[in-house]
Amino acid sequence: NAGVTQTPKFQVLKTGQSMTLQCAQDMNHEYMSWYRQDPGMGLRLIHYSVGAGITDQGEVPNGYNVSRSTTEDFPLRLLSAAPSQTSVYFCASSYVSGEKLFFGSGTQLSVL
Amino acid sequence: GEDVEQSLFLSVREGDSSVINCTYTDSSSTYLYWYKQEPGAGLQLLTYIFSNMDMKQDQRLTVLLNKKDKHLSLRIADTQTGDSAIYFCAEIGHSGGYNKLIFGAGTRLAVHP
Repeated sequence: NAGVTQTPKFQVLKTGQSMTLQCAQDMNHEYMSWYRQDPGMGLRLIHYSVGAGITDQGEVPNGYNVSRSTTEDFPLRLLSAAPSQTSVYFCASSYVSGEKLFFGSGTQLSVL
Repeated sequence: GEDVEQSLFLSVREGDSSVINCTYTDSSSTYLYWYKQEPGAGLQLLTYIFSNMDMKQDQRLTVLLNKKDKHLSLRIADTQTGDSAIYFCAEIGHSGGYNKLIFGAGTRLAVHP
């Protein structure tokens, strides 16, 4: 039982590049979400999904896309990376929305 | 709107008790959570309290909930160096018909000898 797995752990991008952060969970959780963590600002919700085929925006969705084609996977796409997207990104899942979240180990992203 | 507030730093001596405080806004939050983040790691659920409880104790951890003041606290007894971490308070918020967790900015606990 791996829990929530995120890849990559570290990534450096140039401004304007695109990339996908991967997230997979093996706990059959319906709810999955992406947060970004910035110093002094805590965790801010980017996008979330309450089940396969259903996604919605969180607090800071601009510049990011998500999709949920399977229960297990919830990738986060950066369309055109900007320095303001330099952050640590966490994927999290739970059985239902608003319940105890299980977090991945994070992806540290730097945009130059 | 929904907001969770915490002080950013706390420094304690090893062996002393630590008290981390949090205020929240949504009185309808069914649960309130404490998460712990160690350096370079994701958040781990530390403990939680159901909204109809005033106190929950779990070994060295005591959670106190004051619903009237919307105040939540986490007390760590006999604080050890391994307790050094960032502690996040979280409430349940509501958006678009779904629930979501709203996190505070986190309190960095430093334990010194």
